[in-house]
Amino acid sequence: EVQLVESGGGLVQPGGSLRLSCVASGFTVSSSYMTWVRQAPGKGLECVSIIYSAGSTYYADSVKGRFTISRDNSKNTVYLQMNSLRAEDTNVYYCARAIMGNWFDPWGQGALVTVSS
Amino acid sequence: EIVMTQSPATLSVSPGERATLSCRASQSISNNLAWYQQKPGQAPRLLIYGASTRATGIPARFSGSGSGTEYTLTISSLQSEDFAVYYCQQYNTWPYTFGQGTKLEIK
Repeated sequence: EVQLVESGGGLVQPGGSLRLSCVASGFTVSSSYMTWVRQAPGKGLECVSIIYSAGSTYYADSVKGRFTISRDNSKNTVYLQMNSLRAEDTNVYYCARAIMGNWFDPWGQGALVTVSS
Repeated sequence: EIVMTQSPATLSVSPGERATLSCRASQSISNNLAWYQQKPGQAPRLLIYGASTRATGIPARFSGSGSGTEYTLTISSLQSEDFAVYYCQQYNTWPYTFGQGTKLEIK
């Protein structure tokens, strides 16, 4: 079964850092396009970052320079390192596989990140 | 950035009736469009990609159409489990962007 499981969410102070993990099963992240999408409580969806199978990475302007997407092929895991966190980064963060770099399927269950003092 | 606009924001429909949801892109996206369904407390689920291709396991009552900048998701005969929020997404150009969602509620 193809599945994604996120972890690492929690409460962090403004200016702090957090790393989210996304463990994949049923497929290999090294040969896949993987993405992080976030959703503020009761709001819409925003693509945050994507990593191509070849290793190229792209970011939304809202997180560029602060967030870093990476992967560990040996652990079949994708990460999102989030630095200099702001209140507006408070969201549920989903990882998803981007089929051929395009549509997203499947999605993980989400990890809640709360940035507050 | 391509802006995706969905209409209406809320759609009230009775079970068994047809629902038509619209999505407009700020520029042509060449059928690089997906539709997702999201229920409360759950992650989005892929319904349609390539504007009109149903994802694996999606019932035939869901259909997508459109081209250029205008796209439509049609649910032919609403079942109780179809009441949810629906999002369109363009993957023509990074950053990929979503519409703000249409909430499909029971009339």
